[in-house]
Amino acid sequence: SQKIEQNSEALNIQEGKTATLTCNYTNYSPAYLQWYRQDPGRGPVFLLLIRENEKEKRKERLKVTFDTTLKQSLFHITASQPADSATYLCAARAGGTSYGKLTFGQGTILTVHP
Amino acid sequence: GAGVSQSPRYKVTKRGQDVALRCDPISGHVSLYWYRQALGQGPEFLTYFNYEAQQDKSGLPNDRFSAERPEGSISTLTIQRTEQRDSAMYRCASRTPWGGDTGELFFGEGSRLTVL
Repeated sequence: SQKIEQNSEALNIQEGKTATLTCNYTNYSPAYLQWYRQDPGRGPVFLLLIRENEKEKRKERLKVTFDTTLKQSLFHITASQPADSATYLCAARAGGTSYGKLTFGQGTILTVHP
Repeated sequence: GAGVSQSPRYKVTKRGQDVALRCDPISGHVSLYWYRQALGQGPEFLTYFNYEAQQDKSGLPNDRFSAERPEGSISTLTIQRTEQRDSAMYRCASRTPWGGDTGELFFGEGSRLTVL
């Protein structure tokens, strides 16, 4: 079955360092991958989307890569801040399906220590 | 409205009762999605609508679950004869399909269902 796996349940880093989160997919050829941020008790908030024909996407301190050979996306937060602490979710949309029909990973809890 | 609105925010019910969860999407958003999120997991797709038409209900766990969106705006997810395993956060999301689509979903704050 189609599967999205985020291989770290939790990631702890020091303020100012770069956080790197990993998302792997199996039995899947996603048309695109999305990354969402979720704060405790809140709904997910969209951050970035990267399409299968794109290698890299950037937005301010965020960078996402998509490697269709490795079947993997990496999500980077540079110059991390305590305010970046949250759960980050990877989500994939299969080609030919509705844009909003996504398969989510289980999330990675990021904690940035001052 | 300014965002996706869901009600009730919290619902506690006894096993066997029916519950109805309501979603009011962002004004003008054509597509509406229902997801279910267990603690410590990512959201899981249930069903979605374009306007009033239910396009895909492949994620509904069984026939106790149903959803409607009769006027293409507010949607209701109904769970009949609730069971304890139905306890979860039910999230609604909406999106606009117009121009330069990023596929971005706007999620509501969710309805937390607890079945005793």
